[in-house]
Amino acid sequence: AQKITQTQPGMFVQEKEAVTLDCTYDTSDPSYGLFWYKQPSSGEMIFLIYQGSYDQQNATEGRYSLNFQKARKSANLVISASQLGDSAMYFCAMREGRYSSASKIIFGSGTRLSIRP
Amino acid sequence: SQTIHQWPATLVQPVGSPLSLECTVEGTSNPNLYWYRQAAGRGLQLLFYSIGIDQISSEVPQNLSASRPQDRQFILSSKKLLLSDSGFYLCAWSGQGVGSYEQYFGPGTRLTVT
Repeated sequence: AQKITQTQPGMFVQEKEAVTLDCTYDTSDPSYGLFWYKQPSSGEMIFLIYQGSYDQQNATEGRYSLNFQKARKSANLVISASQLGDSAMYFCAMREGRYSSASKIIFGSGTRLSIRP
Repeated sequence: SQTIHQWPATLVQPVGSPLSLECTVEGTSNPNLYWYRQAAGRGLQLLFYSIGIDQISSEVPQNLSASRPQDRQFILSSKKLLLSDSGFYLCAWSGQGVGSYEQYFGPGTRLTVT
């Protein structure tokens, strides 16, 4: 069965520093995808970044990058130059199956990131 | 551009009362639709997903049901609420076909069962 593990329940980081949020996964499917979502206190889930299991390069989106280490089954999120607005819950998530008719995703338990001014 | 709406935003209901939460998507056709529940301080749990009108799959046995009467409308219902149904309910959509993997979420409904 597929599984997502986020071992950091909470993190504090100084503003402007880079931060790495850890995520490990387990799946027997050779085709899968990994996501990161941000959930501010308002509750909305904001899609940040996606990495496919066959993608050769690590995904990047602005200040967000995904450090994908397939052999270690890890997909850490790196936020460069953190800002106060980055304070939120961050969820790692995974989908299985390249040709699924619906993109079923499972989510990790989340990491609460707090940025200090 | 695509937008997704949910209502109501908050709801307080007594145990044993019925429930109806609505989700609609604009700006896209034939979306895959999803209902999730998030307990306080926890991750999201997939409840239902739908690949088309009247095509609903249930992921977790419970006293909830879902319906999709129109292409871009997804409804979550219950005949009798339980205390354990309290939580934050999120609707999401994704595109059809290979490569359309990202799910985009609505603003959510916070349900408190008393």
